[in-house]
Amino acid sequence: GDSVTQMEGPVTLSEEAFLTINCTYTATGYPSLFWYVQYPGEGLQLLLKATKADDKGSNKGFEATYRKETTSFHLEKGSVQVSDSAVYFCALSANQAGTALIFGKGTTLSVSS
Amino acid sequence: EPEVTQTPSHQVTQMGQEVILRCVPISNHLYFYWYRQILGQKVEFLVSFYNNEISEKSEIFDDQFSVERPDGSNFTLKIRSTKLEDSAMYFCASCYQGDTGELFFGEGSRLTVL
Repeated sequence: GDSVTQMEGPVTLSEEAFLTINCTYTATGYPSLFWYVQYPGEGLQLLLKATKADDKGSNKGFEATYRKETTSFHLEKGSVQVSDSAVYFCALSANQAGTALIFGKGTTLSVSS
Repeated sequence: EPEVTQTPSHQVTQMGQEVILRCVPISNHLYFYWYRQILGQKVEFLVSFYNNEISEKSEIFDDQFSVERPDGSNFTLKIRSTKLEDSAMYFCASCYQGDTGELFFGEGSRLTVL
């Protein structure tokens, strides 16, 4: 079945460092790909998405490019801030009505000043 | 901005008791979901609901679980006889178009089973 694999955390960085969180997927068909973020004590929020190959999703300085050839959707940010500390989840959707999102295990990011 | 709201935010119950978690999805959304997250683990899909019936459910969603939308606004998850391993954060989500995957999540209901 469809699945998402994320790099294990936690990831600990200093402010202004470059961030990469790897995500690869296995899916039949042509899924949409997402990054969700969960700040401490809150629910999940959509960070960015891409619906087809070579699309780049971006938001709040974060970017991810849908790479069909490598089945990847790595999350990047050029300069992280303390406020970016959160758990990041990669997810896919099979693009069929009512089909559930499938999440990766989540990667905890901790940014220190 | 419209949001998904969940109640209670935290519930503590004894093993074997029934629990009902409530959610009010965004008003014009058509698809509704329950997910759970056991502490330190990944977010797991439980069930999706569309047009007043379950459209998909996971292996976790066994006979002890049920969902309903009794009044056109609330969307509830019932656990008939809770077990210790049901302790988790339960997230409700909704979306307008079921094939976009862009879900809007509530803040979660933490269930602690003693």
